[in-house]
Order: sequence, then C-alpha cells, then structure tokens
Amino acid sequence: DAKTTQPTSMDCAEGRAANLPCNHSTISGNEYVYWYRQIHSQGPQYIIHGLKNNETNEMASLIITEDRKSSTLILPHATLRDTAVYYCIVSSYSGAGSYQLTFGKGTKLSVIP
Amino acid sequence: DTEVTQTPKHLVMGMTNKKSLKCEQHMGHRAMYWYKQKAKKPPELMFVYSYEKLSINESVPSRFSPECPNSSLLNLHLHALQPEDSALYLCASSQGFDDYGYTFGSGTRLTVV
Repeated sequence: DAKTTQPTSMDCAEGRAANLPCNHSTISGNEYVYWYRQIHSQGPQYIIHGLKNNETNEMASLIITEDRKSSTLILPHATLRDTAVYYCIVSSYSGAGSYQLTFGKGTKLSVIP
Repeated sequence: DTEVTQTPKHLVMGMTNKKSLKCEQHMGHRAMYWYKQKAKKPPELMFVYSYEKLSINESVPSRFSPECPNSSLLNLHLHALQPEDSALYLCASSQGFDDYGYTFGSGTRLTVV
C-alpha cells in the first residue's frame, strides 16, 4: 500500500503559489520524501526530494514538518504548464543500490487562467 | 546524456503475438525498473533490476518476461497478452542513495487487440 495520502484535486490561479500537502505519518527515519509530477500520458518528472530539512530548487520548495509526518510542495508562481498530477512518494531501499518508489493516487492540480 | 529512452512509443499487438519493449540509459545508473500504468491510475511497479540482476518481481504474470542484457539496457518481452494488459509501460533508472530519485522514460503505449 502507498505510504502517503494527498487530496484528490486542487485548483490554483495562474501566477499564485500552489501549495500541495502530503501526509506520510508512517515514514521511517532514513526514508526520503520525493515529489514527481506527470503531465498527461508522459513519464513522471522529478521535482524535488528531502529527508528532514526544507529544500528549494529552480522548480519548487519542499517544506517538511519537524516530526516528518507531513510535507508541502510549493510551486511559487504557478503557470498553465504546471497543470498535472503531482505525486508525493516515500522511497524505500530495496537492496543493492535500488530504491522502490510506490506511487499513491496523487493530486490533480489545475492551474486556472 | 540524462535521458531514459524507450522504444517503441506506441505498439499494437494481437493476443498471439510476441513483441519486446526496449529501454536504454547512458547515465551509468545501476538500477532499472519497469512500471505499468493503466488509464487514470498511478504507476505500479513490476520489476526491479539492480546491477543487472532481477531483485524484485511484483508477482507479475509470466507472459511478461524482463531481461537486462547489460547495465545500459532493459527489455520487456511480451507474449500471449490479454486486452487488459493494455497500458502505458514506463521504464526508469536510478543511481543510488541520495540521488535525484528515478529518471523516467516517456513510456510505451501498448494496445492489445
């Protein structure tokens, strides 16, 4: 079973910040939180990941609560091209250098003009 | 080269056909993965290869047969498929711990008739 829960859908006005929440209350100490997005029928695209500290890159920011049981992905200025399904994933080590990403149902983000 | 290349992009096959999907990466990643994605559902893990050896088989029917001839190439051989096997098949690769997670290919859209 997926280890994360996310809202099914969200709307965001173009130009505004999109804040996507994720609950991962059973996360273990060495498990990372990853965010990917998938635009219709394309392969999932990596956005950002983190362990316990907040992270920022050119696409987004990731805020992880101190107890690590939840996180929020922030797209600072949403554009129409950010319309996609966003997946919050907790990785698990599956041995010999491989990591298993188990996808939950994701959040369908619609950016509205 | 920072891509995972999947061929073909689209495939239509009959239930008695034998076909193969191909996945290639030249990033030096040592773990490679096959995922299956049905319409409007999240990707589901099928197989994990680590250092060219099969490490995880998620109880996939034997009509799907993976092969990893070398560290850059991953194949998925298909035989006697059913119409319900129609889906987007995604390949991914990863380097290891504390990396940017997986890099996904754009997928092969398979239709079984």
